[in-house]
Amino acid sequence: GAVVSQHPSWVICKSGTSVKIECRSLDFQATTMFWYRQFPKQSLMLMATSNEGSKATYEQGVEKDKFLINHASLTLSTLTVTSAHPEDSSFYICSAGLAGVNTQYFGPGTRLTVL
Amino acid sequence: AQSVTQLDSQVPVFEEAPVELRCNYSSSVSVYLFWYVQYPNQGLQLLLKYLSGSTLVKGINGFEAEFNKSQTSFHLRKPSVHISDTAEYFCAVSSFSGGYNKLIFGAGTRLAVHP
Repeated sequence: GAVVSQHPSWVICKSGTSVKIECRSLDFQATTMFWYRQFPKQSLMLMATSNEGSKATYEQGVEKDKFLINHASLTLSTLTVTSAHPEDSSFYICSAGLAGVNTQYFGPGTRLTVL
Repeated sequence: AQSVTQLDSQVPVFEEAPVELRCNYSSSVSVYLFWYVQYPNQGLQLLLKYLSGSTLVKGINGFEAEFNKSQTSFHLRKPSVHISDTAEYFCAVSSFSGGYNKLIFGAGTRLAVHP
């Protein structure tokens, strides 16, 4: 149980284009979803937190107009990297949490490479 | 503010030897503590968690951890490691913020098991 998927698993795009990453909770309804960014050989940095049907809460220093988050349902959240640049290249990981269960379940991650 | 310190960035060990990965945290309130494992190019998998109750927590793959409130530690141990345990290990503390639990991660410890 508590499986989270991400799509795509990897993506290569040209500078200036936008990329959408999907995060789905497959066998449970997630009240909250989280988006993290991980640089090589570093820890995870929380980018934003989203609750279904409400605006995402972004961490300090994260541009909300560049990293658009939509949480349309209890099983789906999307992260759109707008006008991507090479410095946006990274490993993006989502997680999903259950209300009343103090645990986050992580997706497999999406490797974004911007050329 | 909460923080997590993983004292060792890398831990080399021979197969079948015991291992301890150290984690210390700082917090002014009650905490929930977690250990996650990350294999190359993958998301995070929950090894174990401490929410309340017994301070000795047993997890998957033969790992266990002990919550020590007086020393603010949550060290991860395994009595006999396998080559397949080679991975990155993250300690995390959960803080309740804005109606949901945010995870704050340590920098990670790279466990390298040698034959």
